[in-house]
Amino acid sequence: DVKVTQSSRYLVKRTGEKVFLECVQDMDHENMFWYRQDPGLGLRLIYFSYDVKMKEKGDIPEGYSVSREKKERFSLILESASTNQTSMYLCASSLLDRSYEQYFGPGTRLTVT
Amino acid sequence: AQTVTQSQPEMSVQEAETVTLSCTYDTSESDYYLFWYKQPPSRQMILVIRQEAYKQQNATENRFSVNFQKAAKSFSLKISDSQLGDAAMYFCAYRRNEKLTFGTGTRLTIIP
Repeated sequence: DVKVTQSSRYLVKRTGEKVFLECVQDMDHENMFWYRQDPGLGLRLIYFSYDVKMKEKGDIPEGYSVSREKKERFSLILESASTNQTSMYLCASSLLDRSYEQYFGPGTRLTVT
Repeated sequence: AQTVTQSQPEMSVQEAETVTLSCTYDTSESDYYLFWYKQPPSRQMILVIRQEAYKQQNATENRFSVNFQKAAKSFSLKISDSQLGDAAMYFCAYRRNEKLTFGTGTRLTIIP
């Protein structure tokens, strides 16, 4: 079974802090994704990566950056957390073939105070 | 840009009954994939069912089936014999390339 893990289920940070969210997948998937989930807005793509050291902006990249130094690991970075970044963050991975579904991690609920 | 619309924020159904969740999408492409994902409370998002746009036959997975109307750009999910474990947020999603575009979700409640 594919397993996607995220470093924290719950995280509380202060405004202005640098925040790292980590995601690891164990199925050698090429693609990895970071989404933000907010009530009434569904899931919105922040960034994705199709290979090591490669990244592409999604629909809402402002205020975020990412890092993919190894194939299995994809990090989301909030350089200076703000209260409007309080949200649920979901990581996902998939094979390159677009017929394959994305596999999701359990999510990190981030609160910025 | 592709958009996916789920017009029912909340739905409820009696246990053992059938419910249909609606989804429409907008695209100018002819070759793409559509998915329904389920997100149970406090649990991971999982795939329910997938449909390939170039296949006319509607996908089915046990109690879950879709009504795919390509010309109308409609992709509804039917859940038969609803069970308590079906209670969840359901998201419709469209995939043309690497990216998934999601709808805003429908919260399904099962009434015992």
